[in-house]
Amino acid sequence: GESVGLHLPTLSVQEGDNSIINCAYSNSASDYFIWYKQESGKGPQFIIDIRSNMDKRQGQRVTVLLNKTVKHLSLQIAATQPGDSAVYFCAENPGAGTALIFGKGTTLSVSS
Amino acid sequence: GAGVSQSPSNKVTEKGKDVELRCDPISGHTALYWYRQSLGQGLEFLIYFQGNSAPDKSGLPSDRFSAERTGGSVSTLTIQRTQQEDSAVYLCASRSGQVNSPLHFGNGTRLTVT
Repeated sequence: GESVGLHLPTLSVQEGDNSIINCAYSNSASDYFIWYKQESGKGPQFIIDIRSNMDKRQGQRVTVLLNKTVKHLSLQIAATQPGDSAVYFCAENPGAGTALIFGKGTTLSVSS
Repeated sequence: GAGVSQSPSNKVTEKGKDVELRCDPISGHTALYWYRQSLGQGLEFLIYFQGNSAPDKSGLPSDRFSAERTGGSVSTLTIQRTQQEDSAVYLCASRSGQVNSPLHFGNGTRLTVT
């Protein structure tokens, strides 16, 4: 089964709302986590990352929260815009010298 | 600088034919990955190259799949005797040698086996 999963396959929000996309991971040894955005016909694009020694990291309009106790990761997008519509993937790094493991993704739809 | 480049962007082939997919990583990146993405699905790991080390081939689905990385740069993923279930987008990514750095992806090759 999937090592990294997502709580909801789709999320629909109104423009200007805040969006929260959730992800659960199962590997306690994972030390690095990344959120990617994938638009139709393109490869995944890096959004933000976080190391396991942190519980929060902020970027431009995005915040990633990491709760190692319950192995949960979330991506918060402030003031969601139509251009944010895409599939969002979380990924975990189980350890040095290993490949990232991806979940199935959440499709975010933003309506005007 | 330039990102990860993949070619061709689209490939249609007949069942049973061999195909080669090419990846040019970001210059200076020591790690290179191949993933496969079926329609509406997540990313399935195929193979990983790190510097001069032996590649991690643990994700290759069958012995029809192989990959090489020449000169520590360009990589080619080869699928022999293609099957319809091989139809997918094949994504390449590269990563710097820095610990805990993100993968940078190309836009993929969409393979259709008819």
